[in-house]
Amino acid sequence: GQNIDQPTEMTATEGAIVQINCTYQTSGFNGLFWYQQHAGEAPTFLSYNVLDGLEEKGRFSSFLSRSKGYSYLLLKELQMKDSASYLCAVGERSNDYKLSFGAGTTVTVRA
Amino acid sequence: GAGVSQSPSNKVTEKGKDVELRCDPISGHTALYWYRQSLGQGLEFLIYFQGNSAPDKSGLPSDRFSAERTGGSVSTLTIQRTQQEDSAVYLCASSQVSGNEQFFGPGTRLTVL
Repeated sequence: GQNIDQPTEMTATEGAIVQINCTYQTSGFNGLFWYQQHAGEAPTFLSYNVLDGLEEKGRFSSFLSRSKGYSYLLLKELQMKDSASYLCAVGERSNDYKLSFGAGTTVTVRA
Repeated sequence: GAGVSQSPSNKVTEKGKDVELRCDPISGHTALYWYRQSLGQGLEFLIYFQGNSAPDKSGLPSDRFSAERTGGSVSTLTIQRTQQEDSAVYLCASSQVSGNEQFFGPGTRLTVL
C-alpha cells in the first residue's frame, strides 16, 4: 500500500504563488501524478513526474525527489479559476495502472 | 471528441436496494478504472479493466460490489444490498494504455438513505 500526505487546505491571493507539497511512502514507485478537481467536477490531469527534477507547464510546475519521497505542485500567477482541489497520486510499480491518491488539497484564491 | 460519460449523475436509493452505475469510456481507450470518492477523502481504487485480460478486483470493498465490461467498452458497476456507508461519488476513468494519463468522467453521486 501507499501513504500519501498533502495539506488539507491552502489560501492565497490572486497573482501570488502557492506550493502544494506531497509526501509518499511506498513499496514501489512508477510515477507521480497531479490532478485538479473543481467542486462537483471530474479530476483533470495536470502533470506526471517519473524522474527527479522540475517539470514546467505554463503557470504550473511539478517537482519530484524520489529519494525523499517528495513532490510539490507550484502554481504561479494565481487566478480565481485556480480555486480547486489538487490531488497527488502515486503509481505502484507492480501494478502500474493502479493509482493511490492523497486526500487532496483545497486551494482557495482570494481577490 | 467526447469524454468519459457516466450515468446517472445522481442516484438516491434506500438501504438494501441494488444499484447499477454505468460508464462509457473514451472510444479507443483500452483501460478502464473505477474509483470511489467519499467526502473529504482521496480517491479509492475499486477495479481495473485492461483489454481482454482478467480485471483487477483487488480494490472492491466487499462481495456486494461487482463490475463488468462488455465488448471492451461500456462498464457497469453494481452494488447489491446497498448500505449507508456506500454513499459516495463513484468515478470512472479511462486511458489509452495502462499507466498513462487517466481521463475521468463526471461521476455518479450515490446517496443511500
